[in-house]
Amino acid sequence: AQKITQTQPGMFVQEKEAVTLDCTYDTSDQSYGLFWYKQPSSGEMIFLIYQGSYDEQNATEGRYSLNFQKARKSANLVISASQLGDSAMYFCAMRRGMKTSYDKVIFGPGTSLSVIP
Amino acid sequence: DAGVIQSPRHEVTEMGQEVTLRCKPISGHDYLFWYRQTMMRGLELLIYFNNNVPIDDSGMPEDRFSAKMPNASFSTLKIQPSEPRDSAVYFCASSSGLGSSGANVLTFGAGSRLTVL
Repeated sequence: AQKITQTQPGMFVQEKEAVTLDCTYDTSDQSYGLFWYKQPSSGEMIFLIYQGSYDEQNATEGRYSLNFQKARKSANLVISASQLGDSAMYFCAMRRGMKTSYDKVIFGPGTSLSVIP
Repeated sequence: DAGVIQSPRHEVTEMGQEVTLRCKPISGHDYLFWYRQTMMRGLELLIYFNNNVPIDDSGMPEDRFSAKMPNASFSTLKIQPSEPRDSAVYFCASSSGLGSSGANVLTFGAGSRLTVL
């Protein structure tokens, strides 16, 4: 069965510093996608970044990068130059399948990030 | 594009009443997901559809919950009868199923906050 683990319930980071949010996953599939979503206090779910299991390079989107280590089944999110607006819940998610057929998307328990001025 | 549209945004009802939550996915998206979010259980997948057909409803908590997708532009999640433990935020999300690897990203609606008294 698929499972997502986020071991950090809460984290603090100083403004302008970088922070890494951990995510490990469990799957026996070879083809899957990994996602990170941000949920601010207002409640909406905001897509941040995506990594396919066959992607050779780590994904980057602006200040977000995904440290993908396939053999270790980890997909950590790195936020560079933290801003006060980065304070939010962050969810790691996984979806089996790619390009031709897709399965359900499951989410980890989330990490609450607080950026300190 | 208006995004995924959910209604109502807030619903307060009394135990035993029927609740119907509605979702309009993004046009052209052929996957639709219903999630429930609570503090205790996080984001739980209830059911998902592909091309209007339910694929996996193993997350539906009990027979009081039912979901339909009569056409590509509309889905409902119904709870009958409702109970206080159903109080949660219910999210609808949609995605496309083919194309580039990033096409499988879920786009979420704003959520429906349900309170059952």
